[in-house]
Amino acid sequence: SSELTQDPAVSVALGQTVRITCQGDSLRSFYVSWYQQKPGQAPVLVIYGENYRPSGIPDRFSGSSSGNTASLTITGAQAEDEADYYCNSRDSSGINLNVVFGGGTKLTVL
Amino acid sequence: QVQLQESGPGLVKPSETLSLTCTVSGGSINNYYWNWIRQPAGKGLEWIGRIYISGSTNYNPSLKSRVTMSVDTSKNQFSLKLSSATAADTAVYYCARAYCTGGRCYPDAFDIWGQGTMVTVSS
Repeated sequence: SSELTQDPAVSVALGQTVRITCQGDSLRSFYVSWYQQKPGQAPVLVIYGENYRPSGIPDRFSGSSSGNTASLTITGAQAEDEADYYCNSRDSSGINLNVVFGGGTKLTVL
Repeated sequence: QVQLQESGPGLVKPSETLSLTCTVSGGSINNYYWNWIRQPAGKGLEWIGRIYISGSTNYNPSLKSRVTMSVDTSKNQFSLKLSSATAADTAVYYCARAYCTGGRCYPDAFDIWGQGTMVTVSS
């Protein structure tokens, strides 16, 4: 079982705002990263660190964190945002920079 | 731009060693953390481990007893060996780079990924 918990599925109407969450004890101490994965493709980093977007990622993607919960917010969801989203961070021990992923959230844009 | 390409056998027999190589092109392998991540069909991502160009490694505790990673800076490649393979190791295997920017690295943020290679463990 994963140390990071995500809702299996979330849906959003086109153009609306959606928040995808990731819960875990390690998030109280470490940053989370978020990835978008479309079918048959490798994941793409969309958020890292405090709330940074790599070059080329639209500014409708943003991240936040409070306590043991991190969130990825898509403001004005587009059809092309339909994908699986994964969070990752350090494991709860923080030892050796070990990494854990959440189970993933399937986002459907209606 | 930097690209990663996984290579290795697509079929491995049970109890044998799964071996993969990731070739880094368009940039240097130096000064980054390099990772292996896998994904069984229809399932989530699992971090296998990382290696730095110095050769230092960190492995997922659940796989640590079976994993060995190495790096060859002269070839701009790094490699994964997973011993005693079982059907549970059947997955798409990705290599990925940890993000560095402005002199700071984020060891668990993976900005560049290979396309992935499917490995099936079966007799």
